[in-house]
Amino acid sequence: DTGVSQDPRHKITKRGQNVTFRCDPISEHNRLYWYRQTLGQGPEFLTYFQNEAQLEKSRLLSDRFSAERPKGSFSTLEIQRTEQGDSAMYLCASSLPGAGANVLTFGAGSRLTVL
Amino acid sequence: AQTVTQSQPEMSVQEAETVTLSCTYDTSESDYYLFWYKQPPSRQMILVIRQEAYKQQNATENRFSVNFQKAAKSFSLKISDSQLGDAAMYFCAPDSGAGSYQLTFGKGTKLSVIP
Repeated sequence: DTGVSQDPRHKITKRGQNVTFRCDPISEHNRLYWYRQTLGQGPEFLTYFQNEAQLEKSRLLSDRFSAERPKGSFSTLEIQRTEQGDSAMYLCASSLPGAGANVLTFGAGSRLTVL
Repeated sequence: AQTVTQSQPEMSVQEAETVTLSCTYDTSESDYYLFWYKQPPSRQMILVIRQEAYKQQNATENRFSVNFQKAAKSFSLKISDSQLGDAAMYFCAPDSGAGSYQLTFGKGTKLSVIP
């Protein structure tokens, strides 16, 4: 297992286009998290899944954002009608169930630039 | 909502010396975890150390230790015998408690290590 994988690593798009990011967590981790990090800031929580169930969503996750984890394995984060303010690094993390649930393993992130 | 304050945007330390990074936070929870994460330049976030709020004993991980003052809501990180590889952004992050596992990150402290 090579850790948490995110794809693509970089995405440049024009305002108004839709983009989708994929995250493959560590295989035995049942929890998966999405965070957003803008320049000069710490990561901000967006949402998290336990298996395929989306259990928490931040108010930062507007109607243009949707996240799925259909089979409890990989997850996708889609942003519709992108805006320049969506430019950020989108981080995925995963964790074990039980006592290890709050120890997150992060991926390298997907950097989005909206022109 | 939780707030996390890292009052030192940048710090520097001589190689082999000791440095302390400060963090204060605000929470209404009594049972929660606190974390320090490290983000090297262009690399993924990795866990440095974890502290359980109900434990009075400060956590240590090799050269890294914390000074946790629950009443003061203070959670500082001490790095001893600093190494060049310690250069990174350091983020303090308490979780939301109550089984949420949502982390609130501070803005980070950029640590430089001088050879």
